[in-house]
Amino acid sequence: DGGITQSPKYLFRKEGQNVTLSCEQNLNHDAMYWYRQDPGQGLRLIYYSQIVNDFQKGDIAEGYSVSREKKESFPLTVTSAQKNPTAFYLCASSMLIGQATYEQYFGPGTRLTVT
Amino acid sequence: GQQLNQSPQSMFIQEGEDVSMNCTSSSIFNTWLWYKQEPGEGPVLLIALYKAGELTSNGRLTAQFGITRKDSFLNISASIPSDVGIYFCAGLEYGNKLVFGAGTILRVKS
Repeated sequence: DGGITQSPKYLFRKEGQNVTLSCEQNLNHDAMYWYRQDPGQGLRLIYYSQIVNDFQKGDIAEGYSVSREKKESFPLTVTSAQKNPTAFYLCASSMLIGQATYEQYFGPGTRLTVT
Repeated sequence: GQQLNQSPQSMFIQEGEDVSMNCTSSSIFNTWLWYKQEPGEGPVLLIALYKAGELTSNGRLTAQFGITRKDSFLNISASIPSDVGIYFCAGLEYGNKLVFGAGTILRVKS
C-alpha cells in the first residue's frame, strides 16, 4: 500500500524540550513538505525539500528544523525556540518533474501538545 | 504568506441538498486542487484541475478551473451525512508551493 505515514499520532512534551516528528513515504516522490495547522485555520508551510540533502524554509520556519538524508524520510524537529508549538502537524509529498511540482498527498498528521 | 479567499466559511445544509463553494485569488495559478479534511485526519485530495476552463467530476463532486485562472468552484450534489468535513481549495504556482484557502466547514442535517 503506497502512502505517507506519520508517527506518532499524538505527542506530548514539556516546554523547553525538543521533539522530532517522523514522516515516511513510499510513493517515490521527490518533494516533501511540512505544514502546521491551528484550530479553525488553513495550512501554513514550515519547510519543504525537493531533493535529498536540500531543503528550503517555508512561511513559518522559525523554531523548526528538518533533515532530508533519504528520499523516503523527512523528519521535523520542533525546537524549544518555537514559541507556540502546540498544533496539528501535517507532512505531504508530491512528484517533481523538471522544476514543476504536482498535487500534494498528505499523511494522517501528528497532534503535538506542549505544556 | 499569500492565502486564497475561500467562501463560504461554513455551511449547515439539509441532507440531499446541493452544495457550492468557491475560491478566488489575485494571482494566476496553473493548477487548482480541492481537498477534504475530517477531524483529526490529514487532507484527502478530491479533485485536481490543470487547465483553465476545465470541468472535472469525481462521483457527486464537480469542480471547475476558472477561465481567468484566478478562481475555482466545487459543487457537491445530493449531500449525504458523510460529506461533513472541511473542504480546502489550493492553488499551485508553477514549480512552486501550494497556497491554501482557509477552508469551508460543511455540516449536514439528516
